[in-house]
Amino acid sequence: DARVTQTPRHKVTEMGQEVTMRCQPILGHNTVFWYRQTMMQGLELLAYFRNRAPLDDSGMPKDRFSAEMPDATLATLKIQPSEPRDSAVYFCASGLGGTNQPQHFGDGTRLSIL
Amino acid sequence: RKEVEQDPGPFNVPEGATVAFNCTYSNSASQSFFWYRQDCRKEPKLLMSVYSSGNEDGRFTAQLNRASQYISLLIRDSKLSDSATYLCVVNIHTGKLIFGQGTTLQVKP
Repeated sequence: DARVTQTPRHKVTEMGQEVTMRCQPILGHNTVFWYRQTMMQGLELLAYFRNRAPLDDSGMPKDRFSAEMPDATLATLKIQPSEPRDSAVYFCASGLGGTNQPQHFGDGTRLSIL
Repeated sequence: RKEVEQDPGPFNVPEGATVAFNCTYSNSASQSFFWYRQDCRKEPKLLMSVYSSGNEDGRFTAQLNRASQYISLLIRDSKLSDSATYLCVVNIHTGKLIFGQGTTLQVKP
């Protein structure tokens, strides 16, 4: 089965450090999503792309977060500088983009900022 | 008011029980609907889409009431392996999904 691949699976770093998370969407999927999940907030949409163009990043703190798709096989989410409140699981998902199309999630990156 | 609301539970039921989860959504322009399942420390996975006429997949039945903006999931003959968090998901417009907070189910032997 085709899967969304995320790296790293786990990341522990000190506050103030830059964190980069990567995602390889399923081949042929043209929409890519970044979510953050915490116990308190549940799943929050941070940003999403269609055909590599950013469509909505209103859920993302702009001062420290950035999301890009340098090519169709790679999406990145960067935090600089990181803060303890950024500790969460970050999921990438991809889909075919149609109204009735579900999204397929990667395993997530478990991020801890000390 | 949250765009998608679910009773967080937990629902604790014995094996073999029938259990139902409900979900309401606020945007009447919502176009498509799904139930996802998430196991502890795992990613959400699609359980089933929800169609206007209602649909069934084995022991699982999903219903949609557009007039009341209400979605339900019924699980019959529950198994220990059904223990998970069930997420109600709404597509507001093309491609963008809004997730509920999830309902936790614990099936006991």
